[in-house]
Amino acid sequence: AQTVTQSQPEMSVQEAETVTLSCTYDTSESDYYLFWYKQPPSRQMILVIRQEAYKQQNATENRFSVNFQKAAKSFSLKISDSQLGDAAMYFCAYSITGANSKLTFGKGITLSVRP
Amino acid sequence: EAGVAQSPRYKIIEKRQSVAFWCNPISGHATLYWYQQILGQGPKLLIQFQNNGVVDDSQLPKDRFSAERLKGVDSTLKIQPAKLEDSAVYLCASSLISGVRNTEAFFGQGTRLTVV
Repeated sequence: AQTVTQSQPEMSVQEAETVTLSCTYDTSESDYYLFWYKQPPSRQMILVIRQEAYKQQNATENRFSVNFQKAAKSFSLKISDSQLGDAAMYFCAYSITGANSKLTFGKGITLSVRP
Repeated sequence: EAGVAQSPRYKIIEKRQSVAFWCNPISGHATLYWYQQILGQGPKLLIQFQNNGVVDDSQLPKDRFSAERLKGVDSTLKIQPAKLEDSAVYLCASSLISGVRNTEAFFGQGTRLTVV
């Protein structure tokens, strides 16, 4: 079974600084997706960034980038120039490709941003 | 484009009572998911529909939980009877179709259930 592990329950960052959130996963598949989702107090999950396992290039979305290490099964999220609006729960998630794909989430990490 | 709609936003019930949650996915989305998110944990899949057929309900406690998706559009999730450990946020999500590359799942705002 696939598992996603987020070992840091909380992190804090100063506004405008950079922070890295860690995630490891376990799978026997060679083709899959990895995701970072943001969950603000409104509870709605918002997709931050997605990485396809067959792509060697790390995904980037504006201030958000990932460090995908397939052999190490590691998938970290870097947030640059942190903003107050980045404060939220962040979840790492995994999905197989193909029919019947579904998301498996980690426990999440609470990110606070200090003004 | 309208997002995934869920109701109610909040519900408080006593243990052993029944409760139902409703989800309206994004128009045209064939796949619908119900997730349970217990406080301090990540969401856990309860059931996945493709159109009106069940794809995966392996983690649905079928002795008390049931779900249906009539006509492949709206879905309801029911708990009867509720237990204290059912207190959680119930998230609904939808996607165009699972298995297609780059298909994103969109989430609703969830229903927070408190069982007292």
